[in-house]
Formats: sequence, structure tokens, C-alpha cells
Amino acid sequence: SAVISQKPSRDICQRGTSLTIQCQVDSQVTMMFWYRQQPGQSLTLIATANQGSEATYESGFVIDKFPISRPNLTFSTLTVSNMSPEDSSIYLCSVSGGEFNGYTFGSGTRLTVV
Amino acid sequence: QQPVQSPQAVILREGEDAVINCSSSKALYSVHWYRQKHGEAPVFLMILLKGGEQKGHDKISASFNEKKQQSSLYLTASQLSYSGTYFCGTEVGGFQKLVFGTGTRLLVSP
Repeated sequence: SAVISQKPSRDICQRGTSLTIQCQVDSQVTMMFWYRQQPGQSLTLIATANQGSEATYESGFVIDKFPISRPNLTFSTLTVSNMSPEDSSIYLCSVSGGEFNGYTFGSGTRLTVV
Repeated sequence: QQPVQSPQAVILREGEDAVINCSSSKALYSVHWYRQKHGEAPVFLMILLKGGEQKGHDKISASFNEKKQQSSLYLTASQLSYSGTYFCGTEVGGFQKLVFGTGTRLLVSP
């Protein structure tokens, strides 16, 4: 299965600022997925990032708030913009292992907005 | 659209068994199971692709009832290492994205 390096692992940010989270995969993948996990909750899909096209956002998430870049088949970034305390969560990137395999996740970014 | 899991939480003594259920209001074409330990990313346990399929490794197994749109995860003779939050997940749009269930917190005590 793929190995994903995600950084930063945690950050404390001031409200109104932005944070960019990076994920590097050790193999080429068509799609990368970004999730948010609020404290004590399940994982919620934010968007799907395809190389060479605009990311596809889930209901409740917009590009202005969570811009995503996918410059090549091994790398993606998620930016959390104009942050508020409600954005305090763990953000995870993920890739699929294929039709018969599970998904692999980065180690997560624990974001605290103060 | 999010699968619903039951129970929400369960506490076991080491060696006891548990069953975690995952139900969907929509047709399930595949079911994933993951375990997430505190402060860590979810880890893939297994995938079931066909109705009636059953799988297992070690003392953790799962079944998939396609008609009832549900899956169950069975933990037998639980170990301390089984503690964590268990999520089922279903792929939407033909293996294009994974939607997670509500989660079940499992605590195994000595």
C-alpha cells in the first residue's frame, strides 16, 4: 500500500489566517482525498483532488474556504483559509489502494485556531 | 447518506466478544472497515465486495448482507490492542470516494 507523508502534524493558528497542509505519496495516484475529522466525530470528506483538473468539493465545502492544488500525481495541498475556531479539527489526506484494497491515510494535521 | 453504526460505544473485558453493526439507507456496493486509535490515522481492516461475503483475519471478521444494506464486524476474544474507534465505510460513485459511518468506540479493559 502507498505511504503518505503529511505535514505539518499540528499547528496553532490565529483566526483570520490561512494554513496550507501538504501530502506527498510515494507512488503515483489518480485521485487524492481530503477529509476533516472534528473532535470525537467521524471523518467527513471535503474534496477529491484530481491531477490536471479542478477539485470536486462535497456539499458544505467550498473552494474559497478550502482551495486545493494537485500539481502532479504524487502531491497535493489543502489550504484552510480565513480560519475561525470552528475550523479546529484534524485534517487527513487519503488515497485508494485500488478496487480490492482499502484506503491509506496520512498521519493527519491537528489544527487549533485561537 | 452516511452509514449509521451501532452501538455508539462498547466496553469489554479482555477475552469478551463484540459485534458492531453498520447500516445504510442506500444500497451498499462494498463495505470497508477501519480502526482508528486515539491520535492516529484510520487503519484499513478489510473490505467486503459481495453480498453474503464473509471475511476475517486473526480474530476479527465481518459479514455483508447486501439485501439488508448492512454489514457487521465481529471481534472475538478481544485483546487490549483492539481498543479504538471502528468505522465502516462505503464507496460512492464506483470506487471514487469513501464515506465513513458514524463510528463505534470500543474499549477493552484488563
